[in-house]
Amino acid sequence: EIVLTQSPGTLSLSPGERATLSCRASQSVSSSYLAWYQQRPGQAPRLLIYGVSGRATGVPDRFSGSGSGTDFTLTISRLEPEDFAVYYCQQYGSSPYTFGQGTKLEIK
Amino acid sequence: QVQLQESGPGLVEPSQTLSLTCIVSGGSISSGGYYWSWIRQHPGKGLEWIGYIQYSGSTYYNPSLKSRVTISVDTSKNHFSLKLSSVTAADTAVYYCARGVLYWGRGTLVTVSS
Repeated sequence: EIVLTQSPGTLSLSPGERATLSCRASQSVSSSYLAWYQQRPGQAPRLLIYGVSGRATGVPDRFSGSGSGTDFTLTISRLEPEDFAVYYCQQYGSSPYTFGQGTKLEIK
Repeated sequence: QVQLQESGPGLVEPSQTLSLTCIVSGGSISSGGYYWSWIRQHPGKGLEWIGYIQYSGSTYYNPSLKSRVTISVDTSKNHFSLKLSSVTAADTAVYYCARGVLYWGRGTLVTVSS
């Protein structure tokens, strides 16, 4: 089973700042099947990024994904008020599919 | 636009079987190549992948739940289902169904309590 470790656990930033979220896998993620989700309170996760760097339809271009192998990053270039939420990475290349524990992005 | 909707009891007694159905609209569950998954989220916690099924019926379950989980598909009704047996309070969670990584249901809270 691939274990995904996200860091930091909580990130405190202000609107307009740049956010960098990390996801590290315990072994290489197959075929770059790495996704990022945003979850707001009381809502289902929303897909932001698939295949490491593919932006889902309707996702603003301030969200970008990068990385390979075992190290992946979600970058939000300029934080908007609606971006403050919890973010999860998921690998879906090897069963069992697994999620990171999440990074909470909070307003400073 | 594909939509998924979870349905089932919101309260299940301990030791009983939790049964949920995911109704798929806007697309056929028989469309090849997709994984139809169940995921859960304990209150205030992260996401846990339960397992998936393909339209052909092939399945894969999280080893941590494998002994208690069954996922099945009914192509005639365009839905797929989750059964989790011998539930305890630790199975209290919001349960989501999903197609691949893109389409998710809104989730349904299932509480295990007598």
